Amino acid sequence: NAGVTQTPKFQVLKTGQSMTLQCAQDMNHNSMYWYRQDPGMGLRLIYYSASEGTTDKGEVPNGYNVSRLNKREFSLRLESAAPSQTSVYFCASSWTGAYTFGSGTRLTVV
Amino acid sequence: AQTVTQSQPEMSVQEAETVTLSCTYDTSESDYYLFWYKQPPSRQMILVIRQEAYKQQNATENRFSVNFQKAAKSFSLKISDSQLGDAAMYFCAYRSADLGNDMRFGAGTRLTVKP
Repeated sequence: NAGVTQTPKFQVLKTGQSMTLQCAQDMNHNSMYWYRQDPGMGLRLIYYSASEGTTDKGEVPNGYNVSRLNKREFSLRLESAAPSQTSVYFCASSWTGAYTFGSGTRLTVV
Repeated sequence: AQTVTQSQPEMSVQEAETVTLSCTYDTSESDYYLFWYKQPPSRQMILVIRQEAYKQQNATENRFSVNFQKAAKSFSLKISDSQLGDAAMYFCAYRSADLGNDMRFGAGTRLTVKP
């Protein structure tokens, strides 16, 4: 099925470990996004990419880096995980208006 | 900056009844989109309904409809004939028509449906 594929679905990290969340879309969308979801706070933008080759910071970028590898793929990297980064992470893509979301990654940092 | 406010952290409704979820937003723009997303326990974000600000007619999708009041900056979601499968978190979201901008979300409303 066409859509946004996000991996992994679950991950537990120790403080200080690094990891990369992968995201790929097959809808030929220009724009891609990474959000984090925390209880009572909705979804907050970490980074986004308006088009291939460009990335910009969102509301909560500290502790994260991103790579727009090509039009399909947009990865999110945690270089040194901290307990404050325990959250659910969503990747999304869009062409006009609405987003299509991946299924999310539940990340726990212990 | 645009902000989205959902003042009801939790709501409940009896099966087959109607419930309305509230959303207000703050913007100085005249052209934008509004959305309601549903997040069931599976965690998947599902688009329920969308409204373009330039359209005066309220959007409708089967049992879901909105009451869009542009001057009041209000965008409520009405769910008619509620079903057990409607139980979920519901997020209201705003996006500028300038598509270089991202989508802003409210904090969400958790809807419980009682059998």
